[in-house]
Amino acid sequence: AQTVTQSQPEMSVQEAETVTLSCTYDTSESNYYLFWYKQPPSRQMILVIRQEAYKQQNATENRFSVNFQKAAKSFSLKISDSQLGDTAMYFCAFMSDFGNEKLTFGTGTRLTIIP
Amino acid sequence: DSGVTQTPKHLITATGQRVTLRCSPRSGDLSVYWYQQSLDQGLQFLIQYYNGEERAKGNILERFSAQQFPDLHSELNLSSLELGDSALYFCASSPDGQGFNTEAFFGQGTRLTVV
Repeated sequence: AQTVTQSQPEMSVQEAETVTLSCTYDTSESNYYLFWYKQPPSRQMILVIRQEAYKQQNATENRFSVNFQKAAKSFSLKISDSQLGDTAMYFCAFMSDFGNEKLTFGTGTRLTIIP
Repeated sequence: DSGVTQTPKHLITATGQRVTLRCSPRSGDLSVYWYQQSLDQGLQFLIQYYNGEERAKGNILERFSAQQFPDLHSELNLSSLELGDSALYFCASSPDGQGFNTEAFFGQGTRLTVV
C-alpha cells in the first residue's frame, strides 16, 4: 500500500516570500501521479498542481512549482511571492496508475501567510 | 466552483440514527468518489463508483453504504451513527475511472456532527 508523509504540520511565512512544503511517499510502482491540493478555510479541496511520474520535467502553475525527485520519492511544493490567499491546509496526494483513481493523502501542512 | 454539488452542507444528528448524503458530479463525469476527513484519521478514501458500478472500496465501515444512480448522482448512507463518525464527507468526480484523466474535482463537503 502506498503511504504519503508530510512532516511539517504547520508553517508560516511573510507575504511575498517563498515557501517550500515537503512531501515524501512510498510506492513500489514505476508510474503514478502526484498532486498538491489546497484546502482554505472554506474547506473546499482545490487542486493546485499535479505531476505524472513518468515526466521528468517539474510541473509549474504560475506561482506554484514542484520539485519532483523520483528516486528519492520526494515531491515538494514551492510557492513563490506568497499571498494572503495562499493561507490554507495543503495536502500532498498519490494516485496509482493502475485501475481506480483513488487518492491517498498525507496528513497536511497548515500554511499561514503573515501580512 | 468545482461543479460538484453536495447536499446538505451541514447535518447534525443523534447517535444511532441514519443519514443520507447526496452528491451530484460534474456534468459528464462518470466516476464518483467519497472521502472522509476527520481529525484523527485525516482524509481517507471510502468508495468509488464508475457509471453505476462499484469500482473500488477503501476504509468504509460496514455501517456505511453507497450507490450511484442512472443519472450518475451518488448517495452515501451512514447508519447506526456513532460519535466517531463526525467528520467532513467529501464527494469528488472525474470524467472516467480508467486513469486517462487524473484530475478529481471535489465538492464542498458535508459536515456531519453526531451528538
